[in-house]
Amino acid sequence: GAVVSQHPSWVICKSGTSVKIECRSLDFQATTMFWYRQFPKQSLMLMATSNEGSKATYEQGVEKDKFLINHASLTLSTLTVTSAHPEDSSFYICSARRTGREQPQHFGDGTRLSIL
Amino acid sequence: KNQVEQSPQSLIILEGKNCTLQCNYTVSPFSNLRWYKQDTGRGPVSLTIMTFSENTKSNGRYTATLDADTKQSSLHITASQLSDSASYICVVSSATSKLTFGTGTRLQVTL
Repeated sequence: GAVVSQHPSWVICKSGTSVKIECRSLDFQATTMFWYRQFPKQSLMLMATSNEGSKATYEQGVEKDKFLINHASLTLSTLTVTSAHPEDSSFYICSARRTGREQPQHFGDGTRLSIL
Repeated sequence: KNQVEQSPQSLIILEGKNCTLQCNYTVSPFSNLRWYKQDTGRGPVSLTIMTFSENTKSNGRYTATLDADTKQSSLHITASQLSDSASYICVVSSATSKLTFGTGTRLQVTL
């Protein structure tokens, strides 16, 4: 159990377009979902935490108007990179957690975003 | 500032050999420590989780140790296989459930 699915797994688009990434918990209800960004040979960096039905909490330095997060249901959160530019190219990973801070985070397989 | 440091940064070993990866942390207050395996282009997969009172935890050929006094952990891989080639990430959770990620050790197992 505890499967998290991300879609798409890989996307290439032109500079200036917006890209939406979906994160779904397939076999459990995720009260909280997390979005991370990972640059090559670096570790995961938390971008934002989203709780179902409320606004996401962004980490310092992450532009909330640039990275729009929606967590409308207990099984789906979306990250939209608006007006993407080449510097936004990265590996984006989501994780999902059941209710309770002691619950572990289960990670998706990531989305590789390449902006030309 | 909470930090997790891992060593070595990268490691190459022959198939069948054993290896040990290190993790030092300064996360406080401490809740638990997990080791993750991350294959290239994939998300991290949990290997072990250890709380304050646990000294060792095994998962197949993976054995993790934790010394809460010195704030050190290790991940020992026995009889390595080619499929063990991946990044291994040490992740420490604080009591507020904030995760601090290490930068990982890139392991390559060769013939």
